[in-house]
Amino acid sequence: GENVEQHPSTLSVQEGDSAVIKCTYSDSASNYFPWYKQELGKRPQLIIDIRSNVGEKKDQRIAVTLNKTAKHFSLHITETQPEDSAVYFCAAPGRGFQKLVFGTGTRLLVSP
Amino acid sequence: DSGVTQTPKHLITATGQRVTLRCSPRSGDLSVYWYQQSLDQGLQFLIQYYNGEERAKGNILERFSAQQFPDLHSELNLSSLELGDSALYFCASSVGSGSSTDTQYFGPGTRLTVL
Repeated sequence: GENVEQHPSTLSVQEGDSAVIKCTYSDSASNYFPWYKQELGKRPQLIIDIRSNVGEKKDQRIAVTLNKTAKHFSLHITETQPEDSAVYFCAAPGRGFQKLVFGTGTRLLVSP
Repeated sequence: DSGVTQTPKHLITATGQRVTLRCSPRSGDLSVYWYQQSLDQGLQFLIQYYNGEERAKGNILERFSAQQFPDLHSELNLSSLELGDSALYFCASSVGSGSSTDTQYFGPGTRLTVL
């Protein structure tokens, strides 16, 4: 499938809180799910990715979980800091696995 | 720094003109991808090249074209420019055969402004 739905579109949290962003995909055969962080006017930076042979992956304060049955994956950020403020994009393989399809992005604002 | 370079950083031009954006992938990467990001919008996939050959195509306009050269750098050509073409254009590269499961690393982007 070509659609990757991402929610919420904006997320405001207090410093120290957790933030969760969810994405759903269409193609049950999809097997790679990266997350990118993009600060204003800068390039998207890969922060974490997961392949379909695992259900969860963690890197310090960031984790990604994958539910293949429900066809959704989520980004979890714990102990948020103001520097986590950015737009976060999820992605999944598009039709034929020849390209990545990106979600519409989540603008995360972490207030001190 | 991802190792992907793009030039120029900024480009200002007029409607009807033609421009060329350039991208050099990370050392060892064979695939190059082009994306368009309009203001406050997501990343729209345009086209992908692997080792000199077109591999996948997205919603790329007929006025746009691209190529990848033997040294693996790529150029995106935009012609008959319209105001709506104003956007950030990103290039990304990956090491693999061009499968979408390859990790993509993005360049710093070229900001195109069409007046």
